[in-house]
Amino acid sequence: GAGVSQTPSNKVTEKGKYVELRCDPISGHTALYWYRQSLGQGPEFLIYFQGTGAADDSGLPNDRFFAVRPEGSVSTLKIQRTERGDSAVYLCASSLSQGGNTEAFFGQGTRLTVV
Amino acid sequence: DQQVKQNSPSLSVQEGRISILNCDYTNSMFDYFLWYKKYPAEGPTFLISISSIKDKNEDGRFTVFLNKSAKHLSLHIVPSQPGDSAVYFCAASAKGRDDKIIFGKGTRLHILP
Repeated sequence: GAGVSQTPSNKVTEKGKYVELRCDPISGHTALYWYRQSLGQGPEFLIYFQGTGAADDSGLPNDRFFAVRPEGSVSTLKIQRTERGDSAVYLCASSLSQGGNTEAFFGQGTRLTVV
Repeated sequence: DQQVKQNSPSLSVQEGRISILNCDYTNSMFDYFLWYKKYPAEGPTFLISISSIKDKNEDGRFTVFLNKSAKHLSLHIVPSQPGDSAVYFCAASAKGRDDKIIFGKGTRLHILP
């Protein structure tokens, strides 16, 4: 596809369950970002990949959150033992950036609701 | 600690007038600044950016001004149109360092008929 694709678009899960959120970046984009946006807030940085490796995971709130990008393309954000406070829109973005001034392109997000 | 601050949660502007959205930042290592626009149920879309080596960048109705000494940037939209009603996010990154993009909380712009 032409843009960043995130699946599912909506996910409702019970407290304590495990969820996986998927991001398909724009083909050829080496940088991939995950953000979380709560109501009335801006996107909150979670983790950033350059290729297959996590260049910066300082935004992951705790060890229940983990993300992978094994082949340098698709990424999966994994949340264990979900809590109601994890409910938010999870946004993925990708860019060509390797230190140059290029913008990140966002997907439409996955709305996660933990009940 | 908010590194990128948008102190106005909302702004209302008459159609045809100029909209000015403001943003302040605290991290002096930021050298690249971006504005994104977001409609409900969609991801943010890139609008315009500016490098720290410039103090102005213009693209059609949109102009971004950067004042490095004040650590302040602004987005001007003129003339404002109904389709400009959206949430606008200011963002910044330290391109020479870690590339991660830090966002402000956003300003909701209402264009009044």
